[in-house]
Amino acid sequence: RKEVEQDPGPFNVPEGATVAFNCTYSNSASQSFFWYRQDCRKEPKLLMSVYSSGNEDGRFTAQLNRASQYISLLIRDSKLSDSATYLCVVDTGTASKLTFGTGTRLQVTL
Amino acid sequence: GAVVSQHPSWVICKSGTSVKIECRSLDFQATTMFWYRQFPKQSLMLMATSNEGSKATYEQGVEKDKFLINHASLTLSTLTVTSAHPEDSSFYICSARGQGYSPLHFGNGTRLTVT
Repeated sequence: RKEVEQDPGPFNVPEGATVAFNCTYSNSASQSFFWYRQDCRKEPKLLMSVYSSGNEDGRFTAQLNRASQYISLLIRDSKLSDSATYLCVVDTGTASKLTFGTGTRLQVTL
Repeated sequence: GAVVSQHPSWVICKSGTSVKIECRSLDFQATTMFWYRQFPKQSLMLMATSNEGSKATYEQGVEKDKFLINHASLTLSTLTVTSAHPEDSSFYICSARGQGYSPLHFGNGTRLTVT
């Protein structure tokens, strides 16, 4: 089993739709979780950290489910500019190493 | 927010030459920096973990003599691609992390083309 797994997509959704991605992780000792966004030919940019209680930032909501070992990202009212690859990042039990999922490609269309 | 600066943004070099890429954390001390490589339409691949004042830890399959990493201070790590070949052409990205479980912050990447 991979340390961090994501559905690669692509997810094609119309503008205004709500879309959710999940990411599963294998190390139950993982302590920190993040969602990054990567545009084509650019570096990843931090979208949000994921906290145990769940957190929201505008149209974006992140959740952590420790029992089932997954994190989720919900995007409401999708915009064309949300089209990107969303990377799930999890520490592998030590603070010095973070493992990336392969990313989920989102394409928002008119 | 935290800023990581990476230079150069792009470089074109001839086969056999060496290329040095710099990664600096501008407003925080980075005890650990990471170097990645990404080929088109593929995911990030971790090459090595760079710790200040000690030798880098390379991932399996990454040649440490070809990809030289130096982490001379808490704000600077360099990656040197030695004797570059066309197959080394890729997008190289560094990232840095502060203390504890803080997020990674990425440099803007270096697009290397070896002719």
